[in-house]
Amino acid sequence: DGGITQSPKYLFRKEGQNVTLSCEQNLNHDAMYWYRQDPGQGLRLIYYSQIVNDFQKGDIAEGYSVSREKKESFPLTVTSAQKNPTAFYLCASSISQITYNEQFFGPGTRLTVL
Amino acid sequence: AQSVTQLDSQVPVFEEAPVELRCNYSSSVSVYLFWYVQYPNQGLQLLLKYLSGSTLVESINGFEAEFNKSQTSFHLRKPSVHISDTAEYFCAVSGRGSYIPTFGRGTSLIVHP
Repeated sequence: DGGITQSPKYLFRKEGQNVTLSCEQNLNHDAMYWYRQDPGQGLRLIYYSQIVNDFQKGDIAEGYSVSREKKESFPLTVTSAQKNPTAFYLCASSISQITYNEQFFGPGTRLTVL
Repeated sequence: AQSVTQLDSQVPVFEEAPVELRCNYSSSVSVYLFWYVQYPNQGLQLLLKYLSGSTLVESINGFEAEFNKSQTSFHLRKPSVHISDTAEYFCAVSGRGSYIPTFGRGTSLIVHP
């Protein structure tokens, strides 16, 4: 089955610790995205990547970092610099970022910082 | 720049009643419009999309949306809702030069028995 997987589904961390969220896709999509979802605020773009070894900041990149060493993988690190990291994080992919097309979403990771 | 406004944060409705979820957008270029659905603690799934052609688009589970360029709207409708339609619905817009979609804040559809 083709799709996007995110792990873990739930993640608890202590304040001040960095944490990495996994995102893998086997759809052969070029573009991948990370969103943060908070109640009543919709989806806000953190980072996106059009191609391997290239990524761009989205609207709320501060306190986050990413890498794109493989086409299939786009991990997100939530650093201690992120002031309010507790949220639902969604990874998505699309065929390309240079033309119109829908995004395919993973099941999400709910991060709670204690 | 583009933006999306979903006019209702929550829409309660009784089962088998009709429903309309409103979406207005702002964009200076030709647009592509999407509706996504999100069930609790899950990711988003594409419900339907408008790229070009017929302004009325339909989904496989009875939803439809109509692109209205003059009113810059893309409202989602269903003539008779089911309990299983209870979910969060997101409208999104993308366009030439900015193919990354901009999402609205979402509308929570609550279907009561």
